[in-house]
Amino acid sequence: QVQLQESGPGLVKPSETLSLTCAVSGYSISSGYYWGWIRQPPGKGLEWIGSIYQSGSTYYNPSLKSRVTMSVDTSKNQFSLKLTSVTAADTAVYYCARRGSGYNYADYWGQGTLVTVSS
Amino acid sequence: EVVMTQSPATLSVSPGEGATLSCRASQSVSSNLAWYQQKPGQAPRLLIYAASTRATGVPARFSGSGSGTEFTLTISSLQSEDFAVYYCQQYNNWPGTFGQGTRLEIK
Repeated sequence: QVQLQESGPGLVKPSETLSLTCAVSGYSISSGYYWGWIRQPPGKGLEWIGSIYQSGSTYYNPSLKSRVTMSVDTSKNQFSLKLTSVTAADTAVYYCARRGSGYNYADYWGQGTLVTVSS
Repeated sequence: EVVMTQSPATLSVSPGEGATLSCRASQSVSSNLAWYQQKPGQAPRLLIYAASTRATGVPARFSGSGSGTEFTLTISSLQSEDFAVYYCQQYNNWPGTFGQGTRLEIK
């Protein structure tokens, strides 16, 4: 059974960098699939942030591309998200997920972690 | 960007009855459409992909149909655990966009 678990600070100051890590168990990232991040502001809908392959190949949402960096560490079976210059609009529950085979839907999700941007 | 519009925003149905949720795309997304179920405090759960293929472990009372711009999620004989928010998502065009959700509540 594939399991994903997000970790990182729950509070980030405005203009600083949000950093999250997703640890994967039950499946080796090196075996394939793209892995991604999705966020959900409180009481609102869902937004794909981006996705990354084991090779480091990435796809970012154009609306966030200038501020997003994703990386993968196959030795630790985890991948990470950095979002720079955050504002209150970046307050959201951040989910890590596995993309479905060849397509950009999410078939496995982490439980999510709330990140609040506030001074 | 492809805009996904779900209707209705809220649907009130009695347990045991059926429910039909709609999702419309602003342009054709072929059959590249997924449905998710989200309960309070939980991550979304994939129900349907490729417009009509049930994900692993999803009960047969959930079915999806449609292609192009019009899609439907049908739930037959609602169980108590089915009352939740449902989202559609197109993945024909990157980054893949979600609808605003339909809240399915107990009548």
